[in-house]
This record gives sequence, structure tokens and C-alpha cells, in this order.
Amino acid sequence: DVKVTQSSRYLVKRTGEKVFLECVQDMDHENMFWYRQDPGLGLRLIYFSYDVKMKEKGDIPEGYSVSREKKERFSLILESASTNQTSMYLCASSPPLGYYSYEQYFGPGTRLTVT
Amino acid sequence: QKEVEQNSGPLSVPEGAIASLNCTYSDRGSQSFFWYRQYSGKSPELIMSIYSNGDKEDGRFTAQLNKASQYVSLLIRDSQPSDSATYLCATRTKDYGGSQGNLIFGKGTKLSVKP
Repeated sequence: DVKVTQSSRYLVKRTGEKVFLECVQDMDHENMFWYRQDPGLGLRLIYFSYDVKMKEKGDIPEGYSVSREKKERFSLILESASTNQTSMYLCASSPPLGYYSYEQYFGPGTRLTVT
Repeated sequence: QKEVEQNSGPLSVPEGAIASLNCTYSDRGSQSFFWYRQYSGKSPELIMSIYSNGDKEDGRFTAQLNKASQYVSLLIRDSQPSDSATYLCATRTKDYGGSQGNLIFGKGTKLSVKP
């Protein structure tokens, strides 16, 4: 079974702090994603990566950065946390691109509260 | 802007009935379609994928795809209270977010199965 793990289930940080969210997958997947999910707004893609050291901006990259130094690990960084970044953060991974594939598997999520 | 539309619900069905969840998508080039189940406070879990027109059955779940009408649906037979969750529809469109193609998610339909 695919396993995607995230470093914390719940996190409380103060405004202005630098926040690191880590995601690890054990299926040797090339592609990894960070989303945030808010009531009424659905899932929104922040950043994604389809190879080590590569990253691409999603729909809402402002205020975030990412790091992918190893294939299995994809980190999301909030450079200076703000209250509007309070959200559920979800990491996902998917196998190499095939024309009909691209199933994404999600980690358990990190509920981040910024006070 | 490529979109995936779902009725937000809640859709309420009695236990043992068939629940029918619907999804329309705007990108005619979409090739892969997915249904995720998300329990409250949890992360999305992939339950069905479908790539060609017609029906695909897996246990109590049937996914139906009609590319001409740009419509995908999920039927849940013999609905159980444990099926109560939000169901997310997602499509993969080839050129969204880069050459790899990412998933676009609907905002989900909340299903409630009453005992």
C-alpha cells in the first residue's frame, strides 16, 4: 500500500514564525504535491514537484516555498506565517506520468493554526 | 479556466438506497477521472478511477463516464451510514500546471446516509 506521512497532525504557530511541514512517501513516486483545503474553497494546489530539486508553482504559491532534496521527501515552508495561512495542509504523491494514470495518494494532513 | 463542478449537497439517502453523485467538467481534453472519499477531519482517499466511456464497477461502487457530455458520476449501491462523507471528483487535464498534467478537484458533494 502507498504510504504518505506528514510530520504533524496538528500544529499551532505564532504570526511571523517560519514553519516547516514535511511529507514523506515510501512508494518511490516521482510526483509530489502540496495542497491546502479550506471550507467552501476546496483543495487548492500550492506547489508541486515531479523530480528531485524541481518545483513548480500551483494556484496559490504566495507566502510559501518548497524543498525537494530527496525523492521521497517534499517540504513546505511558510516563510513568515500569517493568520490567513491557518488551514488544513495536505501532501500527495503520484506515480510516474502515464497517459491514463496519475492517481494521487494523500497523507493524513496537518491542521495548522496561526495565532 | 478549467473547472470541475459538483453539487455541494448535502445529499441525503436512506440506508440501503442507491446514492448518485454527479460531476461535470469543462476541459474536453480531460483523460482520467477519479473519485475520492473524505471523512470529516480526514484526508481524501481514492476510491475509484475511470479512463474510458462507460461503467466501471468495484464492489458497491460504480463509476460512469460520458465524455461526450463531459459528465462523470459515482453510484453507491446499498448505502450504509459509514458511506457518509464528502465525495470529491477530480480530472486530469494534460496541460494544466505544466507538461506533467495535474488533477483538478471539484469542491465535493456531502453525502449523508440515514439509518
